[in-house]
Amino acid sequence: EAGVTQSPTHLIKTRGQQATLRCSPISGHTSVYWYQQALGLGLQFLLWYDEGEERNRGNFPPRFSGRQFPNYSSELNVNALELEDSALYLCASNGGILVETQYFGPGTRLLVL
Amino acid sequence: KQEVTQIPAALSVPEGENLVLNCSFTDSAIYNLQWFRQDPGKGLTSLLLIQSSQREQTSGRLNASLDKSSGRSTLYIAASQPGDSATYLCAPVGSGTYKYIFGTGTRLKVLA
Repeated sequence: EAGVTQSPTHLIKTRGQQATLRCSPISGHTSVYWYQQALGLGLQFLLWYDEGEERNRGNFPPRFSGRQFPNYSSELNVNALELEDSALYLCASNGGILVETQYFGPGTRLLVL
Repeated sequence: KQEVTQIPAALSVPEGENLVLNCSFTDSAIYNLQWFRQDPGKGLTSLLLIQSSQREQTSGRLNASLDKSSGRSTLYIAASQPGDSATYLCAPVGSGTYKYIFGTGTRLKVLA
């Protein structure tokens, strides 16, 4: 069974541009979570989507947004990129509310120049 | 607001030692708590999950305990090996929010 996949693996952008990161959950999983791991900082929760709806949001500005598609894959969009957005972005999935363990993808490393 | 602290921040030990990694959290209203390992530049691998009603979980050389009322969890690694070298993260999941709040991790290096 395929795990959580993310694309691209690496992304280089310049300040002010927009970045789009993609995540495909494990087959059958309906929830997708996004986390940011900036250099020297811990993992921080960004967004949680379940059944196509945003369920929870971390303490990030509105230029971080996303969506979940009918096939439960998800997209994270970061607008007006800033240097401090450079980070590893991890996606995780599970079977939905009250289901245990989130399964993590390998991440997308975003570098903003 | 949940805050998670992990001690020590870094640890370097010779192969074969038994290790204790500590995690403390401020909000005891948790749904469960999970321990992960992260290899450099990689995603997270789940190690152990402890439900809020449980006291401990074991998997191979790993044992995790949970004292919800005091806001503490401990990961015990027996007979450490160089392959155990990684960053270990604990993450309580909040009741009602179902999102992980991660600690800053313990960076472990096991020397051959």
